[in-house]
This record gives sequence, structure tokens and C-alpha cells, in this order.
Amino acid sequence: AAGVIQSPRHLIKEKRETATLKCYPIPRHDTVYWYQQGPGQDPQFLISFYEKMQSDKGSIPDRFSAQQFSDYHSELNMSSLELGDSALYFCASSLGRSGTGTEETQYFGPGTRLLVL
Amino acid sequence: SQKIEQNSEALNIQEGKTATLTCNYTNYSPAYLQWYRQDPGRGPVFLLLIRENEKEKRKERLKVTFDTTLKQSLFHITASQPADSATYLCALGASYGGSQGNLIFGKGTKLSVKP
Repeated sequence: AAGVIQSPRHLIKEKRETATLKCYPIPRHDTVYWYQQGPGQDPQFLISFYEKMQSDKGSIPDRFSAQQFSDYHSELNMSSLELGDSALYFCASSLGRSGTGTEETQYFGPGTRLLVL
Repeated sequence: SQKIEQNSEALNIQEGKTATLTCNYTNYSPAYLQWYRQDPGRGPVFLLLIRENEKEKRKERLKVTFDTTLKQSLFHITASQPADSATYLCALGASYGGSQGNLIFGKGTKLSVKP
């Protein structure tokens, strides 16, 4: 079965540079979530989109922005990168209104490992 | 503030035994709770979801209980195997379906099953 796809898988940037992470949800999934996981930490929710509209916002820095496109893929844009932004960034998708009782289940991608030097 | 605690950072058990992981939460009233498995450097993998009106859920060797009075969930792996070794994350969700539902994760319990 198709899973969530994230690209790139690894990314190395310098401080103050910008980065763009991409997420392709499972086909027919309409909701995308972004999480940040620092070393030895639990995933922290950043932002989510449902039907191309922002639906919830967590601890996302103002330097970051995200959007969901008409084909439901999402991009996380990160500017003025800082050393502390080094982390694993996960995208998850779910089927928002399936009516099957599985709407809450989030399926995670393999993550993008970002290293800021 | 909302707080989720998983019983321990690490749990070591012998193969064939039952592993029991605990998730406690405070200042929160989740509509549902999920358990995920995460291997190093990989994304969390969904295991089980249990809703606030359910007491117990089972899937193969896995069992989850949810006590909203105690604000606690127990996650059991019976007949544990070395392949079950991983970090297990408890996650709380705010609402049913729709566009909401970002998860709040606990810090996880690293389970090691020795042969």
C-alpha cells in the first residue's frame, strides 16, 4: 500500500539559509500534519492542513511557513535557519472525513533529517 | 499545562513475557488515545487507537486499556519477541475526525526484549 512520501530524506544547510521540505500524503488523504522531533525528544506538532486550509497550529516558529496544494501535497518552508532547527521533520496524513471511524489515525512518513551547520 | 507521562524511559524484559507500558496524562480530556511504535530514525508507526468510551482494544498480541477516571492507558504486548524492541509512544488526540486532531505525544518508552 502507498505510504506517505517525504523529500528530501536528508538535508544539510548553513545557518540563515532556507529549506523546503515536501510531503506527499497517502492517496485520498485530505489532512496533512507536520511534526518536529529533536534528538531524544517526542514529536512536537507544528501545523496541519485540511482540504488545503490551515486547520491547526502548534509550536511552529514564525520563520516557518507551510501550505497544502491542490493535489494535497504539502510543503514546509523554513527560513533563517538556526542550529536548533536540526531535527527530524515528519509529515503525517489522515483521511479527514471518511466516516469509517479511522479519521484520527495518522500515518507518518519516513521523515526528513535536517542538519543545520 | 497539559502533561503526558510514560512510565519509564526504558523497559527490559525477557522474550516470551508480557510487556506493560503505562501512559498517564493530566490537565487533558482526550477524545481518543493512540499508541505508536518508533524505530530509530524512522517515522512513528500506528498500532492502536482507543476512544474515550472504550475500555479495551485488542489487536493480535497487543492490548490497550483506557481509564478516563484514572487518566491512564496501559499498553500490553504478550508473548514478547526481540523484534518488538522499539520505542513506544503514547499520543493523545483532541477530537473526532474532521480537520482537527493534532497529536500530543509522550516521550516514549524504549522497550528491549532479550532472547
